[in-house]
Amino acid sequence: NAGVTQTPKFRVLKTGQSMTLLCAQDMNHEYMYWYRQDPGMGLRLIHYSVGEGTTAKGEVPDGYNVSRLKKQNFLLGLESAAPSQTSVYFCAIVTTNTGELFFGEGSRLTVL
Amino acid sequence: KQEVTQIPAALSVPEGENLVLNCSFTDSAIYNLQWFRQDPGKGLTSLLLIQSSQREQTSGRLNASLDKSSGRSTLYIAASQPGDSATYLCAVDSGGGADGLTFGKGTHLIIQP
Repeated sequence: NAGVTQTPKFRVLKTGQSMTLLCAQDMNHEYMYWYRQDPGMGLRLIHYSVGEGTTAKGEVPDGYNVSRLKKQNFLLGLESAAPSQTSVYFCAIVTTNTGELFFGEGSRLTVL
Repeated sequence: KQEVTQIPAALSVPEGENLVLNCSFTDSAIYNLQWFRQDPGKGLTSLLLIQSSQREQTSGRLNASLDKSSGRSTLYIAASQPGDSATYLCAVDSGGGADGLTFGKGTHLIIQP
């Protein structure tokens, strides 16, 4: 998985609670992404970052915030979780030399 | 907006057969196309990456082709094995990586022993 680590792997939240997912890379890649995967919907981009201190919205950014204070870490936050945010979340990086995308192992979030 | 379609959505074949998975995309201005494998409950594993200037890539029993002008890619799996059972996804990079890849919904493949 090209050194992409996600924590936590599993989490159950109640509606209205907040939490943060952490994606950490052990290389020096500039581009990092957060996707969510839902049955029948495929993978959809939430937010992405093209370098330290930068973030941008993807296809489905509402209800999420992100930060990239350090190059190695990309954080995805849910300020007030909703059942519609029940999903599997994947972090990914792109290698600078080939443009190949590598994913973390995923974080399964359930919002009750 | 780029759209990626994979046909069929599901496929079941006996072990040993050669098979082809299809991926089509609407905007031919792409940087690259990537094929992934996903096992149930697991993450995505990169299989093959084809740059826009390439026509095909091979890795073991897998061969991926790219025809940009027609907006199509195929993933050929030779001599299929039960261990090949998984969901296969293709993804297209239309923005040089800057705004992520667009994914198809995948083909769920079952290889019958």
